[in-house]
Amino acid sequence: EDKVVQSPLSLVVHEGDTVTLNCSYEVTNFRSLLWYKQEKKAPTFLFMLTSSGIEKKSGRLSSILDKKELFSILNITATQTGDSAVYLCAVGKNTGTASKLTFGTGTRLQVTL
Amino acid sequence: DTAVSQTPKYLVTQMGNDKSIKCEQNLGHDTMYWYKQDSKKFLKIMFSYNNKELIINETVPNRFSPKSPDKAHLNLHINSLELGDSAVYFCASSPKQGQGRDEQFFGPGTRLTVL
Repeated sequence: EDKVVQSPLSLVVHEGDTVTLNCSYEVTNFRSLLWYKQEKKAPTFLFMLTSSGIEKKSGRLSSILDKKELFSILNITATQTGDSAVYLCAVGKNTGTASKLTFGTGTRLQVTL
Repeated sequence: DTAVSQTPKYLVTQMGNDKSIKCEQNLGHDTMYWYKQDSKKFLKIMFSYNNKELIINETVPNRFSPKSPDKAHLNLHINSLELGDSAVYFCASSPKQGQGRDEQFFGPGTRLTVL
């Protein structure tokens, strides 16, 4: 059975800190790894990674994938209170007609003043 | 402007009732999905439709029946609601497979509470 495991489950940091969120996976027919941010409502898309070693970056957020060791990390530098959210990792697999995503249970990040 | 919309946002109902949730996307995507997110925030795929055809059907009780009248709409009907059906239900859509994009775009969710 496909498995996506995120760690830590929750994290409390002070504004300005740097955090690293982890995602490991065991999935057949792996195609991609995606990160989402979920505040109060819908998950919003952050990154999609398909190749090992290539960093994706957007502002203070960056992510990298290691397909040999089957994991990804999401880094957030200079955290702000607006970064408080649940961060979800998902793995996409090839099904032929749809992008089937298997999600991890998420890391709940709380950034305090 | 809303990309993926769902109605209603909140649904409170008694056990045994039948209810429907509607979803519409204006992104021109071919594929739509229903997810269930439980109280522990675990998001799990239920169904997927590609251009009105059912293509993913996870282990979901047959009380749940999706219907896609056209590729921009995917509705979810639930019969004989049970307490365990209480959750947030998210609709999502994605571009056509083969374009190298797996990202899915989510609606705002429908919080279903069964009493």
